[in-house]
Amino acid sequence: GQQLNQSPQSMFIQEGEDVSMNCTSSSIFNTWLWYKQDPGEGPVLLIALYKAGELTSNGRLTAQFGITRKDSFLNISASIPSDVGIYFCAGTPKGGGADGLTFGKGTHLIIQP
Amino acid sequence: DSGVTQTPKHLITATGQRVTLRCSPRSGDLSVYWYQQSLDQGLQFLIQYYNGEERAKGNILERFSAQQFPDLHSELNLSSLELGDSALYFCASSVSTGRDTGELFFGEGSRLTVL
Repeated sequence: GQQLNQSPQSMFIQEGEDVSMNCTSSSIFNTWLWYKQDPGEGPVLLIALYKAGELTSNGRLTAQFGITRKDSFLNISASIPSDVGIYFCAGTPKGGGADGLTFGKGTHLIIQP
Repeated sequence: DSGVTQTPKHLITATGQRVTLRCSPRSGDLSVYWYQQSLDQGLQFLIQYYNGEERAKGNILERFSAQQFPDLHSELNLSSLELGDSALYFCASSVSTGRDTGELFFGEGSRLTVL
């Protein structure tokens, strides 16, 4: 199946700092999505991107669909304690989603007081 | 609350046993997906059903099987359980087959512990 490389694996930041994480693939994706998983919960969709070059914001979150269609990034501005969790990138490969939605391994965001 | 209901939330069983995990999708959603989440493997796609029919298959073991019933709820059956099957199992649903959007709504998961 398709592989998504997500980095960094974990981030330790101070409250108020900006956060940036990204996801890359060796093959082209038709869609890029970012999910967040809180402890003990299922992943929740944050942002969905459907067009190369698309830049979309959701509050303090901003995500972009790379122009090559092989990468995406997620930025969080002015982090707050409730931003703690695991952030997953996900995508559907070119040619359809027969393999199902592919997830990266996640970025663990930890906010230090 | 995503609207996706999974039961049971926690399950402890022994090796060699068989368990069934149940999922009720959001009202109106026709597609159901099953994912396995373990510490070192992230979210692994197992299988997808659309309106009662199998639509896509991922890395699902032969010991595992699933089905979607006419009322659209789904069950994941895990048999001959091994220690390595211990994981969180998520069900997700979407309106479409998922090919177009990838927008899934996840349940809270069923945590399976095999002793």
